[in-house]
Amino acid sequence: AQKVTQAQTEISVVEKEDVTLDCVYETRDTTYYLFWYKQPPSGELVFLIRRNSFDEQNEISGRYSWNFQKSTSSFNFTITASQVVDSAVYFCALSEWGTNAGKSTFGDGTTLTVKP
Amino acid sequence: NAGVTQTPKFQVLKTGQSMTLQCAQDMNHEYMSWYRQDPGMGLRLIHYSVGAGITDQGEVPNGYNVSRSTTEDFPLRLLSAAPSQTSVYFCASSRGQDQPQHFGDGTRLSIL
Repeated sequence: AQKVTQAQTEISVVEKEDVTLDCVYETRDTTYYLFWYKQPPSGELVFLIRRNSFDEQNEISGRYSWNFQKSTSSFNFTITASQVVDSAVYFCALSEWGTNAGKSTFGDGTTLTVKP
Repeated sequence: NAGVTQTPKFQVLKTGQSMTLQCAQDMNHEYMSWYRQDPGMGLRLIHYSVGAGITDQGEVPNGYNVSRSTTEDFPLRLLSAAPSQTSVYFCASSRGQDQPQHFGDGTRLSIL
């Protein structure tokens, strides 16, 4: 069965601090996909990044970076020099290619508060 | 390009009433899903579909029905509303398993 764990329920930082959001997943499939979504206070869900199980290359996009490590089943997300606008709930999600095609499993989310 | 459209945005029901939450997408996506979001519990999958005529149960399907007669539409039916179904409901669509999901704006449902 697929499972996603975001152990950090809430994180509070001061603006300009770096912050890392943890995501640990479980799957029996060798082919799977990992996603991060952002849900700002306005409530909409916004896609941030996707990574497939064959691509462990880490990625940097502006102030955002992602660290995918299959050996530890983790897909962590770092915001550098955080800003108040980064305050949101962040979700990690997993989808599998095989018998669970069509299903996605989300973590419970991490609420990030960035204080000025 | 409207994306994923959910109606209504808000609804208050009495226990025992039935209703249908509408979801439509104009991106020709094969995959569609319904989630509920409760405080502190993330998004839980209710039902999903990998194409017209094909639906399957997710993690929390009890009390809900779905159908997928067209690629565009994926309505969610509450058969007999219960207070435990008070939640925010999101519909999502994607081009495939390896693609990100596009979400509607959500329906906030309260059951008294």
